Amino acid sequence: QSALTQPASVSGSPGQSITISCTGTSSDVGAYNYVSWYQRYPGKAPKLMIYGVSKRPSGVSNRFSGSKSGNTASLTISGLQAEDEADYYCSSYRISNTWVFGGGTKLTVL
Amino acid sequence: QVQLQESGPGLVKPSQTLSLTCTVSGGFISSGSYYWSWIRQPAGKGLEWIGRIYTSGSTDYNPSLKSRVTISVDSSKNQCSLKLSSVTAAETAVYYCARYTGYPTDAFDVWGQGTLVTVSS
Repeated sequence: QSALTQPASVSGSPGQSITISCTGTSSDVGAYNYVSWYQRYPGKAPKLMIYGVSKRPSGVSNRFSGSKSGNTASLTISGLQAEDEADYYCSSYRISNTWVFGGGTKLTVL
Repeated sequence: QVQLQESGPGLVKPSQTLSLTCTVSGGFISSGSYYWSWIRQPAGKGLEWIGRIYTSGSTDYNPSLKSRVTISVDSSKNQCSLKLSSVTAAETAVYYCARYTGYPTDAFDVWGQGTLVTVSS
């Protein structure tokens, strides 16, 4: 069981918006703004999509956005495209210089 | 552009020590304010942070693995290494090397493709 809870799967049609949740505790997600999100295609290296809860690295589409409320962080992908179909993982800093991850969410573009 | 490549035995026997190497290309492992991390993913499960080492040599480990893990850096080879002792079959996983960049990013911004390690006799 992963430290952060994500839905196993989400799906959406092209052009729609989807949101992936990431629920932690008051020792990680709820306590720090060090939540990040990663996209991973099968057999490929994960790619940083969101850091600091809502910031996008250079080169990441503005269709990707992040937010946080209490112990739950969220990744929203708007204007869904076929190329967005991948696995998504959230991560958060936890007290005592440790990091935790979610179990991952498989996004299917219908 | 910095790239990471994991390497090491794909098969380790139970109770033995798993040893992996992460080779950094496109940059120097000892430069900048980076942490070099190891993360793993057992089949069908989520990612698990194993630990990290700073360019100064200081380390942080997952408390659940701390007694069995050693992460080190060899600047002359531009490599980071992971050693995990007394492994069990449950530790069969894809092992990733990742660079953690501090402020203002504070995230794992560069990853290797991962290497599958199977623990089996």
